[in-house]
Amino acid sequence: GDSVTQMEGPVTLSEEAFLTINCTYTATGYPSLFWYVQYPGEGLQLLLKATKADDKGSNKGFEATYRKETTSFHLEKGSVQVSDSAVYFCALNRQDQGAQKLVFGQGTRLTINP
Amino acid sequence: KAGVTQTPRYLIKTRGQQVTLSCSPISGHRSVSWYQQTPGQGLQFLFEYFSETQRNKGNFPGRFSGRQFSNSRSEMNVSTLELGDSALYLCASSLRGGPNEKLFFGSGTQLSVL
Repeated sequence: GDSVTQMEGPVTLSEEAFLTINCTYTATGYPSLFWYVQYPGEGLQLLLKATKADDKGSNKGFEATYRKETTSFHLEKGSVQVSDSAVYFCALNRQDQGAQKLVFGQGTRLTINP
Repeated sequence: KAGVTQTPRYLIKTRGQQVTLSCSPISGHRSVSWYQQTPGQGLQFLFEYFSETQRNKGNFPGRFSGRQFSNSRSEMNVSTLELGDSALYLCASSLRGGPNEKLFFGSGTQLSVL
């Protein structure tokens, strides 16, 4: 079945550090890829997405590139801030199924220290 | 524009009871989906409704059911509660439920089964 694997957390960084959160996927068919973020006490919010190979999603300084050859969608940010502390979820949705059924990774808790 | 509203925010039930959770999507959104979030299993898809029809269902027992009303509001029901049903239940809405669409999540209902 379809699955998403994220790097294990928690991840702790200092402010202005470079961030990478690894995400790889397994899917039968052609998925769309997403990063969602969950701030404390809140629901998930879409951070960025990519719907085809080599697409780059970007938002709020975060970027991720859809790599079909390595089945990866790693999240990166050049300089993190304390306000980026949250749980980050990588997810896929099969396009061939024509429906909305997200498969999520386990989530990576990120803490940024000032 | 109001976001996705879930009620109640917290619920405490005992084993064997049943529970109903409510979700009001963003105005104009016709697709509502439900996810269960637990520390052990992460985020798992329960089901998705579009125009009062269930289009997709996850791998959950028949004790988990749902419905959608003509105004797109949705409810999910869990009967004969088990301790393992303790979780955060998240509702999400989108315009048409397409595989590339952004999901808007509510803050969730935290269910505790004692």
